[in-house]
Amino acid sequence: GNSVTQMEGPVTLSEEAFLTINCTYTATGYPSLFWYVQYPGEGLQLLLKATKADDKGSNKGFEATYRKETTSFHLEKGSVQVSDSAVYFCALNNQAGTALIFGKGTTLSVSS
Amino acid sequence: GAVVSQHPSWVICKSGTSVKIECRSLDFQATTMFWYRQFPKQSLMLMATSNEGSKATYEQGVEKDKFLINHASLTLSTLTVTSAHPEDSSFYICSAFPRGAGRGGQGDTQYFGPGTRLTVL
Repeated sequence: GNSVTQMEGPVTLSEEAFLTINCTYTATGYPSLFWYVQYPGEGLQLLLKATKADDKGSNKGFEATYRKETTSFHLEKGSVQVSDSAVYFCALNNQAGTALIFGKGTTLSVSS
Repeated sequence: GAVVSQHPSWVICKSGTSVKIECRSLDFQATTMFWYRQFPKQSLMLMATSNEGSKATYEQGVEKDKFLINHASLTLSTLTVTSAHPEDSSFYICSAFPRGAGRGGQGDTQYFGPGTRLTVL
């Protein structure tokens, strides 16, 4: 079946450090891939997405590239800020209009 | 941008009572809404798919008689937790697809509500 695996947290970084959160997936066909962010006390917000192989999603300095050969969609940011502290979820859906399958989430804590 | 609201944002109730949670798409119509459940420090798990004008589709292991879903209009879906027990305490989140989404191929964005924190005493 379809599934998403992302690295266990928490991830603790200093401000301006480089961030990588690994995400790999298992799916039939050609899923769309997403990163969602959940700030403390808030709901999920779409951070970025990619709909086909080699697509790069980007937003707010975050990037992730859809790698079909490695079934991965790793999230990266070159210089994190304290305000990036949140829980990050990798997700996929295998068909437009369907529910998302989420990874377990990775908590990021950035200190100044 | 598309906005989804949930009401209430948090609720505390006694064991045995029923609680209704509303999910509204504020600036778009949604033929499909999803209800997820999130336990502390865990991921979101799909509970059911709510389709306007028809019965909800429940995921395996989710009791349809306990979690009643009504999608009465294109902007409102409700989740009623009947005879709630402490193990039902969780964070309930809805999401909605804009009407017409899904016809253009994969990757259509669904919009999430802020969630409802349910605590059953």
